[in-house]
Amino acid sequence: DVKVTQSSRYLVKRTGEKVFLECVQDMDHENMFWYRQDPGLGLRLIYFSYDVKMKEKGDIPEGYSVSREKKERFSLILESASTNQTSMYLCASSLPLLRVSSGANVLTFGAGSRLTVL
Amino acid sequence: DAKTTQPTSMDCAEGRAANLPCNHSTISGNEYVYWYRQIHSQGPQYIIHGLKNNETNEMASLIITEDRKSSTLILPHATLRDTAVYYCIVRANFGNEKLTFGTGTRLTIIP
Repeated sequence: DVKVTQSSRYLVKRTGEKVFLECVQDMDHENMFWYRQDPGLGLRLIYFSYDVKMKEKGDIPEGYSVSREKKERFSLILESASTNQTSMYLCASSLPLLRVSSGANVLTFGAGSRLTVL
Repeated sequence: DAKTTQPTSMDCAEGRAANLPCNHSTISGNEYVYWYRQIHSQGPQYIIHGLKNNETNEMASLIITEDRKSSTLILPHATLRDTAVYYCIVRANFGNEKLTFGTGTRLTIIP
């Protein structure tokens, strides 16, 4: 019954490494999102994609990039990981608002990827 | 999207009703109220949403005041598995596709 899958549950990387976080959804959703979650700060949106090859910056895009080559897959890339990017990363997907009825614009989240940068 | 205000934390005894408040005094007429929860080490999960009428599903009930400036999520018979962070979010169903989460209410169910 898994609908949004994040490839790695736990990762440990070194400062300066390039890091890829992968997310796959099987619900044929147009929208996909990457959030990070830190204690006391809640969930903050990094990037959003509303279609293949389309992306928009969220609230904290600095230090990150994304790739959406296929509808079901949305990748978050840390070009040169830094210690302040140690965090829980959450991927989500949803239908676009125009395809939603009865106001039910629901995000489905993955289980999260906990990244530690040493 | 309108801003929401929730208490930082709450406790509730197991078996009792848990009532989680949310203030959204700047809500506009086309904005819905959504509730999500996040159990430890998992991603957030959708619970319920509403526009102006009270709503109920298998997980919870949502009570929205007549002026729509506040709402309450009710878990009728709380269990230990309901211990989680609960997020109240207000958003319109057009325009901005992005969903903004606050810091939510940490609900602890006491045995």
